[in-house]
Amino acid sequence: DAGVIQSPRHEVTEMGQEVTLRCKPISGHNSLFWYRQTMMRGLELLIYFNNNVPIDDSGMPEDRFSAKMPNASFSTLKIQPSEPRDSAVYFCASRDSNTDTQYFGPGTRLTVL
Amino acid sequence: GESVGLHLPTLSVQEGDNSIINCAYSNSASDYFIWYKQESGKGPQFIIDIRSNMDKRQGQRVTVLLNKTVKHLSLQIAATQPGDSAVYFCAENIPGNQFYFGTGTSLTVIP
Repeated sequence: DAGVIQSPRHEVTEMGQEVTLRCKPISGHNSLFWYRQTMMRGLELLIYFNNNVPIDDSGMPEDRFSAKMPNASFSTLKIQPSEPRDSAVYFCASRDSNTDTQYFGPGTRLTVL
Repeated sequence: GESVGLHLPTLSVQEGDNSIINCAYSNSASDYFIWYKQESGKGPQFIIDIRSNMDKRQGQRVTVLLNKTVKHLSLQIAATQPGDSAVYFCAENIPGNQFYFGTGTSLTVIP
């Protein structure tokens, strides 16, 4: 298995632009998580899905952030409009329901200028 | 102005020595725990897990100990190698909820 796949790996954009991050979970995993990691706050959960349905989005910073999971093999995290304080590494993880273990993708390093 | 970030606990060990990384968790209802390793520029990588009905679990060169009385988790790495240098996170799972991650401990192995 290729593991959790994220794209792009790096994104540099200007303030005000829309940013879309993509994630492909491990096949057969029914839960998907979006995290943000910064030096200031460490690893923060933004939102997670069970069976493609958003369960808890209380970690989403504000209305500029939105996430979708149209099917079991794809999810997006969108920031519109982006701001410099959104600069961080964004991780996607999927969970094996048999073991509860979360497996992380390589992350997307976002820089908003 | 001065930037303030997370102050990660740090641990430096000589190559070949054993390492012990500690973690205090917050919720007595947590029933499942994982240790992750994160190398620079990479995502957290699963190392070993333990359920609350156990107090010890061993893997290859790693052992996790769970003390539910004091809500403490530790990761022991035997014969530490330079490739073990990374940030180590513990995570706790509360039933019906998601994982909560600690702030991490930075391990540096001195050759």
